[in-house]
Amino acid sequence: GAGVSQSPRYKVAKRGQDVALRCDPISGHVSLFWYQQALGQGPEFLTYFQNEAQLDKSGLPSDRFFAERPEGSVSTLKIQRTQQEDSAVYLCASSLGGPHGAYEQYFGPGTRLTVT
Amino acid sequence: AQSVAQPEDQVNVAEGNPLTVKCTYSVSGNPYLFWYVQYPNRGLQFLLKYITGDNLVKGSYGFEAEFNKSQTSFHLKKPSALVSDSALYFCAVTPNRDDKIIFGKGTRLHILP
Repeated sequence: GAGVSQSPRYKVAKRGQDVALRCDPISGHVSLFWYQQALGQGPEFLTYFQNEAQLDKSGLPSDRFFAERPEGSVSTLKIQRTQQEDSAVYLCASSLGGPHGAYEQYFGPGTRLTVT
Repeated sequence: AQSVAQPEDQVNVAEGNPLTVKCTYSVSGNPYLFWYVQYPNRGLQFLLKYITGDNLVKGSYGFEAEFNKSQTSFHLKKPSALVSDSALYFCAVTPNRDDKIIFGKGTRLHILP
């Protein structure tokens, strides 16, 4: 079946602009995760949803970052008043979730955000 | 706290030779460990996992990993490297099922023809 999809694949924003990044998880996957990957680094956790509930947002770097998943499927990561340090690849991942779900997560191709 | 360390930024191996990419971990409970691979301009692809059971775990594309509890290591191995194995490899750990994954900084693998 189809994997995790993300859009746009590339986004250039001027400093101070707001951006919205979309993630479409694998159909039927309960859990959805957002990660930020800076150049030359491993991905770092941002936030986690189980269905529409945001259970962990401890990795969001500031209150300019906001994520939602209103119907428990598609998720949007919004960054307000973008700064140059927000430049990174934003990865979305999904997994089956629940007490009998698998441990591994499946990743989308990412959105490369460049703030100029 | 959970963490993984990948001591090598880059590993070079001649095609056809065996390869090893090193990883050590630090966990406060049971270790749930992964290897992911990242090709240019593509997302992370899941290779294999250790949850429990046999210490030698087999995964995709002929890769395997050996869990060693006494050395707190989870090294990735392949008996015979291919040029197409050249990519960025991440070792990772999660504290629980359905929880965030903590990644190492990655090791770039170059397979030389």
